[in-house]
Amino acid sequence: DIVMTQSPDSLAVSLGERATINCKSSQSVLYSSDNKNYLAWYQQKPGQPPKLLIYWASTRESGVPDRFSGSGSGTDFTLTISSLQAEDVAVYYCQHYYNTLWTFGQGTKVEIK
Amino acid sequence: EVQLVQSGAEVKKPGESLKISCKGSGYSFSTYWIAWVRQMPGKGLEWMGIIYPGDSDTRYSPSFQGQVTISADKSISTAYLQWSSLKASDTAMYYCARHIGLTTGYLDYWGHGTRVTVSS
Repeated sequence: DIVMTQSPDSLAVSLGERATINCKSSQSVLYSSDNKNYLAWYQQKPGQPPKLLIYWASTRESGVPDRFSGSGSGTDFTLTISSLQAEDVAVYYCQHYYNTLWTFGQGTKVEIK
Repeated sequence: EVQLVQSGAEVKKPGESLKISCKGSGYSFSTYWIAWVRQMPGKGLEWMGIIYPGDSDTRYSPSFQGQVTISADKSISTAYLQWSSLKASDTAMYYCARHIGLTTGYLDYWGHGTRVTVSS
């Protein structure tokens, strides 16, 4: 199984500052046949279901604010919130879908400093 | 508007059976896989399995194979997750989600979740 490891487990960022979440896969999730990284990011606010933010590692889902961006390739990926807003307090998860045994990272909790 | 509406919260005793549901609307239900995801209290997300309502092709995570049954009735745009004998460790929130892709993909729309509590 591909293991997804996020870091840090939690972080506190001041309003308006940058938040960076890392996700590392135990093997590459880049398919050479289509040159796509099979990696998604989700946001889960307290008491709510997860919400898709990013897919194919860097494609923002429709309606997601452009302060959210995804980057990386192969085994190392990053979700960046360029200017943290109060409504961004949530747990963020990465997920690979490279094969049929897709798995999520353990989650990163983002809070306001 | 795409919506996935899940059945309400359940409180059951160990050993009892349970079937929860997820009704899709606003899109062609038969042509998208539906996934079930477990979230135990205070924990992360775990993929349980997926079903293609068009022909009921079903794939299970090895962790959940034999523990649950996933089914669907395309005539009423509804997917199901069922247990034959609940355990206390089945206490969790269960989400259904629309799956983009073939047997592997990401999840673009999620239900609100069904909370299942198993306690004697």
